[in-house]
Amino acid sequence: GESVGLHLPTLSVQEGDNSIINCAYSNSASDYFIWYKQESGKGPQFIIDIRSNMDKRQGQRVTVLLNKTVKHLSLQIAATQPGDSAVYFCAELDFSGAGSYQLTFGKGTKLSVIP
Amino acid sequence: DTGVSQDPRHKITKRGQNVTFRCDPISEHNRLYWYRQTLGQGPEFLTYFQNEAQLEKSRLLSDRFSAERPKGSFSTLEIQRTEQGDSAMYLCASSFPGRLNEQYFGPGTRLTVT
Repeated sequence: GESVGLHLPTLSVQEGDNSIINCAYSNSASDYFIWYKQESGKGPQFIIDIRSNMDKRQGQRVTVLLNKTVKHLSLQIAATQPGDSAVYFCAELDFSGAGSYQLTFGKGTKLSVIP
Repeated sequence: DTGVSQDPRHKITKRGQNVTFRCDPISEHNRLYWYRQTLGQGPEFLTYFQNEAQLEKSRLLSDRFSAERPKGSFSTLEIQRTEQGDSAMYLCASSFPGRLNEQYFGPGTRLTVT
């Protein structure tokens, strides 16, 4: 398969530990912030999103935190499993003005889970 | 399989040739998006359709690129006179009406221009 993760920040965690992946965003007008997971050779897979008027949202084993003061987004993965190994991207969605409805992706982070 | 599908998965072409990619979105999804992704980077928006109407195009979409969605279902992306800089993964995504925040991506078409 192809490598999506060249030259990306890398996070290595032990299986069973919790993972925290961080993202800084730029557009304070974004309406949604979304996390995607991309495995080698595959397209991005939607994980979880959060509206701009929220500061925390939980899913199955994942939690997204939004800090609008410092324009920071994080994805927490509980009890990390080998299948979580992938590149993770944060993305912004701004419904206002030109460029609406297009996702703007941040830099990815490669998560490697050590068995 | 009811996900977004793309064809072909891989395409190798010589510089100057034309290529065409196809995307079949999830049925009931009225919005369809094209993105381009180069190695180590996140996807970059190219264009999107609502039904058969192409509503927005990125500056990345030069005049050598054209996209269509003639019947509001599948879409094609054509690149004319390919250049080595066109080598990338071309991703298609679709979203359900009213769920614009959830774009579902296909596996992509990997283009290599030699």
